[in-house]
Amino acid sequence: ELKVEQNPLFLSMQEGKNYTIYCNYSTTSDRLYWYRQDPGKSLESLFVLLSNGAVKQEGRLMASLDTKARLSTLHITAAVHDLSATYFCAVALPIGNQFYFGTGTSLTVIP
Amino acid sequence: DAGITQSPRYKITETGRQVTLMCHQTWSHSYMFWYRQDLGHGLRLIYYSAAADITDKGEVPDGYVVSRSKTENFPLTLESATRSQTSVYFCASSDPGLAGGETQYFGPGTRLLVL
Repeated sequence: ELKVEQNPLFLSMQEGKNYTIYCNYSTTSDRLYWYRQDPGKSLESLFVLLSNGAVKQEGRLMASLDTKARLSTLHITAAVHDLSATYFCAVALPIGNQFYFGTGTSLTVIP
Repeated sequence: DAGITQSPRYKITETGRQVTLMCHQTWSHSYMFWYRQDLGHGLRLIYYSAAADITDKGEVPDGYVVSRSKTENFPLTLESATRSQTSVYFCASSDPGLAGGETQYFGPGTRLLVL
């Protein structure tokens, strides 16, 4: 069974600061996904990372994947209040299309 | 462009009753999934389907039944609801294509309370 761990689980940060969310997983995979969820809402796809060394950026968020270390990071640059949400990583098994989700990181950006 | 819809959005039921949650997608995606979301557990896969008439168990299938007679619909049935099945249920779909790697697209969710 694939296990996915995110840390931190809760993150409170000031506007303008930088921080990184980590996603570790237990089995070989080269397919890693990041999602955002606002309170009471559904999940919105942020990034799809499909190879070792993949890096994707959108606005103040940048995601990367190191398949050898079984690690993905979501880096937040100069945080703003609108980034407050819960962020999930999900890992797909090498074969098939099942996703395994981390427990999520609840991010609060304080003005 | 409706995308993926779920009904009902909210449901209150009693222990022992049968409940069916509906999921409909308009993209003709081959894969469909049911997850439950609980505090401290993230999202856990209940069942998934690779195509019409093909379904398989996920992490937490006990107490649930699925069917997929048409590509666009993937209903989830709780045969005899229990309080532990109180949760938020999300349906998702994807179309891996030849290369794979496609993300999953999520419905708005169904909030189920079992009394």
